[in-house]
Amino acid sequence: SYELTQPPSVSVSPGQTARITCSGDALPKQYAYWYQQKPGQAPVLVIYKDSERPSGIPERFSGSSSGTTVTLTISGVQPEDEADYYCQSADSSGTYKVFGGGTKLTVL
Amino acid sequence: QLQLQESGPGLVKPSETLSLTCTVSGGSISSRSYYWGWIRQPPGKGLEWIGIIYYSGSTYYNPSLKSRVTISVDTSQNQFSLKLSSVTAADTAVYYCARDLARELMDVWGKGTTVTVSS
Repeated sequence: SYELTQPPSVSVSPGQTARITCSGDALPKQYAYWYQQKPGQAPVLVIYKDSERPSGIPERFSGSSSGTTVTLTISGVQPEDEADYYCQSADSSGTYKVFGGGTKLTVL
Repeated sequence: QLQLQESGPGLVKPSETLSLTCTVSGGSISSRSYYWGWIRQPPGKGLEWIGIIYYSGSTYYNPSLKSRVTISVDTSQNQFSLKLSSVTAADTAVYYCARDLARELMDVWGKGTTVTVSS
């Protein structure tokens, strides 16, 4: 079955830049989406179609894609950005969705 | 404003069938732009996509769950439902329903409901 691979954790100090990667063989063919999940809450979409930002999401959130890896970048990290982040995409045929294992962002 | 609300038993016995319903309010489940889906999250673990349904009844399922999952839609009630058969403790999770735009992204989520599988 298809898998997306994320680092389990990333730590940064406030004001620094956090980068969270997601790797998968089908990413050159399928868009990636990023969700933020805070404890006890449902996920919230923060990036769609690799690099688009939904309305209401701060400009410090951005996304990029290169080959089989997509990256979520949070510039000028704020304490409230501490959360779990999940990438999501689809298999090469676009038939079913897959989530990455999630990355816990810790703001030191 | 679109809202989704999951409902169903919080406790299911092993080998039985888990049944959940998602009620959509503030919009029509028959909108041609959207699919409607289920996602789950075991305690302390990551998200797992279960499947989606279109208002016409077309479905797409996670291959790893396909033999046990049925998602159905009731447009008259603006609801869609999840059935997961032959459950085990591994099916214990928070179950979320969500709106799926064009089979791409999930932009509106319910708050989630916890289902525990235990005798």
